Parts: sequence; C-alpha cells; structure tokens
Amino acid sequence: DVKVTQSSRYLVKRTGEKVFLECVQDMDHENMFWYRQDPGLGLRLIYFSYDVKMKEKGDIPEGYSVSREKKERFSLILESASTNQTSMYLCASSLADREQFFGPGTRLTVL
Amino acid sequence: QKEVEQNSGPLSVPEGAIASLNCTYSDRGSQSFFWYRQYSGKSPELIMSIYSNGDKEDGRFTAQLNKASQYVSLLIRDSQPSDSATYLCAVNALPGGSYIPTFGRGTSLIVHP
Repeated sequence: DVKVTQSSRYLVKRTGEKVFLECVQDMDHENMFWYRQDPGLGLRLIYFSYDVKMKEKGDIPEGYSVSREKKERFSLILESASTNQTSMYLCASSLADREQFFGPGTRLTVL
Repeated sequence: QKEVEQNSGPLSVPEGAIASLNCTYSDRGSQSFFWYRQYSGKSPELIMSIYSNGDKEDGRFTAQLNKASQYVSLLIRDSQPSDSATYLCAVNALPGGSYIPTFGRGTSLIVHP
C-alpha cells in the first residue's frame, strides 16, 4: 500500500521558533510538494521538488524554505514562525504528471 | 495564469440521487485531469483520473471530459451520506508543461438522508 507520511499530525509552536515539518514517501516518486490549506483559500503550493536537491518556488514561498537530500524525504522549514503561518500543511508526491498522493497533514498552530 | 474553476456550493442532494460536480479550466494544453475527495479535517484522496475525451466509469463514479469545451465533470450515482465531502478538481498541462497541477477551490457536497 502506497504511503506518504508526515512527522506530526498536530504541532503547537511559539512565534519566532524555527519549525521543521518532514514528509516521507515510499513510492520512489520524483516529485514532491508542500501545500498549505486554509478555509476559503483552497490548496496553495509553497514549494515543489522534482529531484534530489532540486526545488522550485510555488505560489507562496515567503517565510518558508525546503530541503530534499534524499529522494524519499522532503522537509519544509519555517525559519521564524509567525501567527499567520497557522494552517494545515499537506505534503504530496507524484510520478511525472500522474495523480498526487497526499500525506495525512500537519495542523500547525503558532502562538 | 492557469485557472481551474469550481462552484463552491454547497451542493445538496438527497440520498440515492445523482450528484453532478463541474469544473472548467483555462489552459487548452491541459492533458491530465483528476478528482479528489476531501473529508473535513482529512487530506485529499484520489477518486478518478481521466486523460482522454469521453466518459470513464468506476463503480458509482463517472468522470466526463470535454477538451473542446474545457470542462471536466464528476457524476456520483446513488449518492450516500458518506459521499458528503469537498471535491477538488485538478488539472495538469503536460506534456510540454509543468508537473505542478492546478487545483480548483473545491465543491462542497452534502448528501442528506
């Protein structure tokens, strides 16, 4: 059974903290994605990676960075968390232009 | 700017009826199309994918694609209360485009007993 896992389901952090969200997929997919989802705004792409050490900015990269040192792992980093980064964060992976497989999501609250 | 449009709903149908969800897209080069279902508080999961014009059926679900009119639809037959969710339409522009799908904002479906 294919699987995308995320390091935490729920996370509470304080303003200014550095936050790491990790995503691991076991399907040998080359593409990996980080989205955030907020009510009424739909899925918004933060960053995309199409290969190890390769990354592209999505629609809302400000305040975020990513790391992909291994094919199966894609990390999202909030350099200095702010309250407006409180959201649901979703990781996904895909093969070429095929469907995406999503992780369970991390609900991040920044106080 | 590639756009994917969906009616936000909610679309309310009685149990046993056919639910019809629609999606239009702006990029004529779009090649692959997906419908995802998302329950409240959960992540999206794939319902259907379709790559060529016409209908594709899988159980109670039928996806319909019309590239000339730039729309894709999802029909759910014999709707059940468990089908109540938000349905996301996603479109990819490959070949020659990006691996990044464009998502609509989703249509909320409510199936009432």
